[in-house]
Amino acid sequence: KQEVTQIPAALSVPEGENLVLNCSFTDSAIYNLQWFRQDPGKGLTSLLLIQSSQREQTSGRLNASLDKSSGRSTLYIAASQPGDSATYLCAVRRGTSYGKLTFGQGTILTVHP
Amino acid sequence: EAGVTQFPSHSVIEKGQTVTLRCDPISGHDNLYWYRRVMGKEIKFLLHFVKESKQDESGMPNNRFLAERTGGTYSTLKVQPAELEDSGVYFCASSYSAGQPQHFGDGTRLSIL
Repeated sequence: KQEVTQIPAALSVPEGENLVLNCSFTDSAIYNLQWFRQDPGKGLTSLLLIQSSQREQTSGRLNASLDKSSGRSTLYIAASQPGDSATYLCAVRRGTSYGKLTFGQGTILTVHP
Repeated sequence: EAGVTQFPSHSVIEKGQTVTLRCDPISGHDNLYWYRRVMGKEIKFLLHFVKESKQDESGMPNNRFLAERTGGTYSTLKVQPAELEDSGVYFCASSYSAGQPQHFGDGTRLSIL
């Protein structure tokens, strides 16, 4: 059974810092991994999707890496801003015939001015 | 392009009553998913439709939950009769294909009294 763990559970940083969020999964047989952000009372916004054959994906100030063999992914946020404050979730998908995502509990990020 | 839309945004009902949640996916997305987040837990998969067919319903908790997607467009999730432990936020997501990023709605917050 796939389990996804995110560390830390919460993080508070001053504006401008670079930061790393961690995600680990127990079963390395994944098809892809997706990072989301969730604002309070809102749905999930997809940030980055990494296929199992890829090592990293970048979008603006965000960079996500994937080490499938060790069951780890990191989300790097450069030059953090107060608007980055949200809950960040990672989710893994098992295989091509499975649409199901298995989620971690998320990291609550607060960036203060 | 309109995103995934869920109705209602909030629902408060008494134990034993029936509630129906609705999800309108992004136009053209054949894949539709239901997820649930109960208090303090991670988001968990309920089921996956491909068009009108149930591809995977392994996450449905019990037979009080009934999901339908007649005509392969919008979907409904009915809970009958509702129990206290059904309280949580129910998310719907859709994707063009099972391997593509899933796009989430804002969720329906369900409270059972």
